[in-house]
Amino acid sequence: AQSVTQPDARVTVSEGASLQLRCKYSYSATPYLFWYVQYPRQGLQLLLKYYSGDPVVQGVNGFEAEFSKSNSSFHLRKASVHWSNSAVYFCAVSSYGNEKITFGAGTKLTIKP
Amino acid sequence: DAGVTQTPRHEVAEKGQTIILKCEPVSGHNDLFWYRQTKIQGLELLSYFRSKSLMEDGGAFKDRFKAEMLNSSFSTLKIQPTEPKDSAVYLCASSFRNEQYFGPGTRLTVL
Repeated sequence: AQSVTQPDARVTVSEGASLQLRCKYSYSATPYLFWYVQYPRQGLQLLLKYYSGDPVVQGVNGFEAEFSKSNSSFHLRKASVHWSNSAVYFCAVSSYGNEKITFGAGTKLTIKP
Repeated sequence: DAGVTQTPRHEVAEKGQTIILKCEPVSGHNDLFWYRQTKIQGLELLSYFRSKSLMEDGGAFKDRFKAEMLNSSFSTLKIQPTEPKDSAVYLCASSFRNEQYFGPGTRLTVL
């Protein structure tokens, strides 16, 4: 069975500072990994995805994530956050040919002015 | 392309009522998911359809929750009878090549 752990339920960062949101996954085969973002009163939107190849993947709006097989991790990073990045971020795992995705519990990101 | 559409956006029901939530997936997507989202439980899978066939219905939700997909462009989620603990946001998503596209959700309040 696959699972995702996001150890930080809440993260607060000052505007302009760098960001890292942590994600650990558990999956026996080669995983497909995702980060989704959810703004208030909206559905989830895909930020970026990793299927294979370069372990650092770029997403929308300056976000990137790095896949580490040895650490079973897929951490999300951003060099400089903006107040509009305040949202809930979900890490998720799936696999080839499997449209069903397992989501983590989410990390609520708050940006301080 | 239009995204996933969900109606209504908000629903208020009295305990014991029957409510029906609606979802229109992205055209051409063969997989459709219904989730329930609460602060405490997070995202919970209610139902999963592939090409209109029910692939999975979240076991704990079987008794009062019924999702249907009568055609490839429309799905419903019926809750009967509703209970106050059903108050949550219900999200519909359709999928293509492992990427899920979510609707804005329906916020259900059961009094």
